[in-house]
Amino acid sequence: GAVVSQHPSRVICKSGTSVKIECRSLDFQATTMFWYRQFPKQSLMLMATSNEGSKATYEQGVEKDKFLINHASLTLSTLTVTSAHPEDSSFYICSASGGGRGGYSNQPQHFGDGTRLSIL
Amino acid sequence: GIQVEQSPPDLILQEGANSTLRCNFSDSVNNLQWFHQNPWGQLINLFYIPSGTKQNGRLSATTVATERYSLLYISSSQTTDSGVYFCAVSMGGGNKLTFGTGTQLKVEL
Repeated sequence: GAVVSQHPSRVICKSGTSVKIECRSLDFQATTMFWYRQFPKQSLMLMATSNEGSKATYEQGVEKDKFLINHASLTLSTLTVTSAHPEDSSFYICSASGGGRGGYSNQPQHFGDGTRLSIL
Repeated sequence: GIQVEQSPPDLILQEGANSTLRCNFSDSVNNLQWFHQNPWGQLINLFYIPSGTKQNGRLSATTVATERYSLLYISSSQTTDSGVYFCAVSMGGGNKLTFGTGTQLKVEL
């Protein structure tokens, strides 16, 4: 159980393109989803917390107009990188928790397989 | 914010050897997870262990929350154990994970 599917696994596109990444919880309802970013040889850094039916909460330094997050249902959150540039190239990974709204529950997080984004 | 430090940063083992990875955190936590990130980037859940001891096959973990550390034990290591091991913690009422610095493990034949 507790499977999180992330799609696509890899994207290569030209500078200026907008890219949408989907994160789905397949066998549980995810009231809260999280989006992380990982640069090569570094740890994962939380970008934002996504709550079903409400606005996402962004971490300090993350541009909300650049990284649009939508969590329209209990099983789907999307991250759209708008007008992507080479510096946005990174590994993006989502996680889902079945805990209460805002993540206010000590439930383990389950991770998708990640999306490797390359902007030319 | 909370600081999460892992040691050692790099580790090379011969197949069959045992190892201990450490995770120190700077504040009280109510969630701690250990992950293995394989060479393809996939994060594999190893343990959800805010306190106590758990075992799963060749792996076991212990968290001493009062002393703010957790240990991951790998016994009889195999080449498939290679990758990066992360601990991640959350604190307070939220469930946002802060990841540690990671331990890069390479198991050689």
